[in-house]
Amino acid sequence: DIQMTQSPSSLSASVGDTVTITCRASQSVSTYLNWYQQKPGEAPKLLIYIASILQTGVPSRFSGSGSRTDFTLTISNLHPEDSATYYCQQTYTSFSFGQGTKLEIK
Amino acid sequence: QVQLVQSGAEVKRPGASVKVSCKTSGYTFAGHYIHWVRQAPGQGLEWMGWIDPKSGDTDSAQKFQGRVTLTSDSSINTVYMELSGLRSDDAAVYYCARAEDCSGGSCYSYGWFDPWGQGTQVTVSS
Repeated sequence: DIQMTQSPSSLSASVGDTVTITCRASQSVSTYLNWYQQKPGEAPKLLIYIASILQTGVPSRFSGSGSRTDFTLTISNLHPEDSATYYCQQTYTSFSFGQGTKLEIK
Repeated sequence: QVQLVQSGAEVKRPGASVKVSCKTSGYTFAGHYIHWVRQAPGQGLEWMGWIDPKSGDTDSAQKFQGRVTLTSDSSINTVYMELSGLRSDDAAVYYCARAEDCSGGSCYSYGWFDPWGQGTQVTVSS
């Protein structure tokens, strides 16, 4: 099984800041890496697929990069509504998620 | 628009079974796999399995094999997830999600989950 490890587990930032969340796979997943945003009491929402493609309707301040084992999700110019937990997911070999990164907006 | 609407919350005794439905609309039912993912209280997302509504083929994570049954009914565009032998650690929110691997005219070998159902809370308590 491919293990996905996110860092940090939580972070706090201010409105207007830029933050980066890292996701590392235990073996190569090529670019088959997706990012989801989940707010309390809601279902996850797709943000980015195939490592770097922004889902329709997602603000351009979200961006993704990486390949093989190392990936990043960057959120620029933080808005208050970006407060959420973010998950990476690989679909290259079976399916697995990172443990999540909780983002708090100060 | 594409929608996945799940059945309501369930309370079950340990050892019982639960069956959660996921009614789909807004797209060709047979054209997309449906996945099931669960989330225990305060925890992350755990993939459980998928069903191909076109063929009825299924696959599940090893930890659920023998306990989870995935089925579909094309007459009402609905898929079902039944989990048997419930334990206290099966208490979670269960989500269905549509698999997608094409966008903007491009298709990929492996895809993503979009959209998701609203979730179904399953409580296991004696």
